[in-house]
Amino acid sequence: AQSVTQPDIHITVSEGASLELRCNYSYGATPYLFWYVQSPGQGLQLLLKYFSGDTLVQGIKGFEAEFKRSQSSFNLRKPSVHWSDAAEYFCAVGRLSGNTPLVFGKGTRLSVIA
Amino acid sequence: DAGVIQSPRHEVTEMGQEVTLRCKPISGHNSLFWYRQTMMRGLELLIYFNNNVPIDDSGMPEDRFSAKMPNASFSTLKIQPSEPRDSAVYFCASSTTGAQEKLFFGSGTQLSVL
Repeated sequence: AQSVTQPDIHITVSEGASLELRCNYSYGATPYLFWYVQSPGQGLQLLLKYFSGDTLVQGIKGFEAEFKRSQSSFNLRKPSVHWSDAAEYFCAVGRLSGNTPLVFGKGTRLSVIA
Repeated sequence: DAGVIQSPRHEVTEMGQEVTLRCKPISGHNSLFWYRQTMMRGLELLIYFNNNVPIDDSGMPEDRFSAKMPNASFSTLKIQPSEPRDSAVYFCASSTTGAQEKLFFGSGTQLSVL
């Protein structure tokens, strides 16, 4: 069965510092990978997705993620964090074929300090 | 487009009462998903529909939960009778062709069962 693990429940970084959020997946087929962000009181918003091709994908708000098949990872990065990036971040895995819905990780809460 | 619209935003009810959550997907989207979010279990898929037809309801906790999609522009999630452990944020999401595509989330309904 497919699963997504986000090892870090909560991360605190200083504004301007770099960020990396970890995501590991377990999937029997070629995975399609997503990162979503949830601001307080809001629903989830897609940051970026990986289907195929270049393993480094760019998303909105200056985020990027790198797919590493050998490590079953899809870590999210940002070179310089802004206070407005404080939110909950969810990694998800799915596949193109069939009617299989996305499987979400439990999320990583990001706090940004001055 | 107004996005996915959920109502109510907040619901407080007493144990044993019936609760109905409502969702209007984005026009033209043919897949609709109901998720439940709690601190302990994260984001769980309850049920999803393709073209108004329920595809997978294996995530529905028990018979107290039911969901309908009478037409392409409306869905309900009903809990009867409600219990305190049902307290959570319930999200509706829609997409164009299925789980692998970009999900658009509503702002959620915060349910508190006393």
